Amino acid sequence: GAVVSQHPSRVICKSGTSVKIECRSLDFQATTMFWYRQFPKQSLMLMATSNEGSKATYEQGVEKDKFLINHASLTLSTLTVTSAHPEDSSFYICSAKEGAGGVPQHFGDGTRLSIL
Amino acid sequence: GESVGLHLPTLSVQEGDNSIINCAYSNSASDYFIWYKQESGKGPQFIIDIRSNMDKRQGQRVTVLLNKTVKHLSLQIAATQPGDSAVYFCAENIPGTYKYIFGTGTRLKVLA
Repeated sequence: GAVVSQHPSRVICKSGTSVKIECRSLDFQATTMFWYRQFPKQSLMLMATSNEGSKATYEQGVEKDKFLINHASLTLSTLTVTSAHPEDSSFYICSAKEGAGGVPQHFGDGTRLSIL
Repeated sequence: GESVGLHLPTLSVQEGDNSIINCAYSNSASDYFIWYKQESGKGPQFIIDIRSNMDKRQGQRVTVLLNKTVKHLSLQIAATQPGDSAVYFCAENIPGTYKYIFGTGTRLKVLA
């Protein structure tokens, strides 16, 4: 149980392209999903919290116009990296949480984004 | 032995030995803690969690210890196997939110 699917797993594209990443909870409903960014050999950095039916909450220093988040249903959140540039290249990981209280976030397998 | 790399500390253990991975957390008010395992190119995988009203919790081959006095969390892996090689992260739940703060991570290398 508690499976989170992230797609695509890898994207290579030209500078200036916008890239959409999907995060789905396959066997549970996730009122809250999270988007993280991870640089090589470093920890996960929270970018934003995605709430179903409302606007995402972004962490300090994360540009909301750059990283568009949509959480249209209880099983799907999307992250769009707009007009991506080489400095946006990174490993993006989503997680989903079922219900309230002290239950763990479950993570997708990440998306490796490479901007040429 | 344990060494500190540029960003990620590494713990090397012999196969079959027990491993202890340590983590210092930041907020004394944090009430929920989680250990994750991350293999190369994959997302973090849930291992075990513990609430602040407990100081020890056991799973299959894993034990988490919580010392609130010194804000310290540890993960013990019994009879370490090659498949345990990965990066291990602790996470603390930010009080009043569902957000996590992740530790810096420790790379576990299992030597045959």
